[in-house]
Amino acid sequence: QKEVEQNSGPLSVPEGAIASLNCTYSDRGSQSFFWYRQYSGKSPELIMFIYSNGDKEDGRFTAQLNKASQYVSLLIRDSQPSDSATYLCAVNFLSGSARQLTFGSGTQLTVLP
Amino acid sequence: KAGVTQTPRYLIKTRGQQVTLSCSPISGHRSVSWYQQTPGQGLQFLFEYFSETQRNKGNFPGRFSGRQFSNSRSEMNVSTLELGDSALYLCASRRDRVPSEETQYFGPGTRLLVL
Repeated sequence: QKEVEQNSGPLSVPEGAIASLNCTYSDRGSQSFFWYRQYSGKSPELIMFIYSNGDKEDGRFTAQLNKASQYVSLLIRDSQPSDSATYLCAVNFLSGSARQLTFGSGTQLTVLP
Repeated sequence: KAGVTQTPRYLIKTRGQQVTLSCSPISGHRSVSWYQQTPGQGLQFLFEYFSETQRNKGNFPGRFSGRQFSNSRSEMNVSTLELGDSALYLCASRRDRVPSEETQYFGPGTRLLVL
């Protein structure tokens, strides 16, 4: 069973702080990793993807990947109340000849004004 | 460019009925995947279609089926509905012309309530 684990939270941070979201995965051979944001009652929207070890920055968001530790994280700098949502980590596992996107259970983030 | 669209957005059915949900992918996207999302189980993979063929399937009973048409539009069908089928059903598409085009984009979902 290929798994993606996230701290379910809830995670609360004050406005302007850095929010740190973490994710581990079971398959060492995984190659691509994604972070989605989901507001209550809405569908997931892509924030970032990362394929290579290290950091990838996009505005206030930074994804970090460590394949040796099977760990991927998302940092949100200068957190805003509008960042309050559930953040889903997703990993593309190889299933037979196809890749299957497997999601963690999500971390609920609340940014307090 | 228009995003992924799903119809209907909301649906109420009774146990034992069947339901068909529709998904139109982003133009140029060839792969369509379906997911079920419930509060208890999270986002679970149902199946993926590519070039009108089911390429991958999750751990769901045979009551759940799907198909893809030549224009990449996809439908999923659930027969003999059970109360536990109440969920948000999400469709996602990706271009998939080269292995690096793996990013999936989600539609707004169809919320199904089974009474």
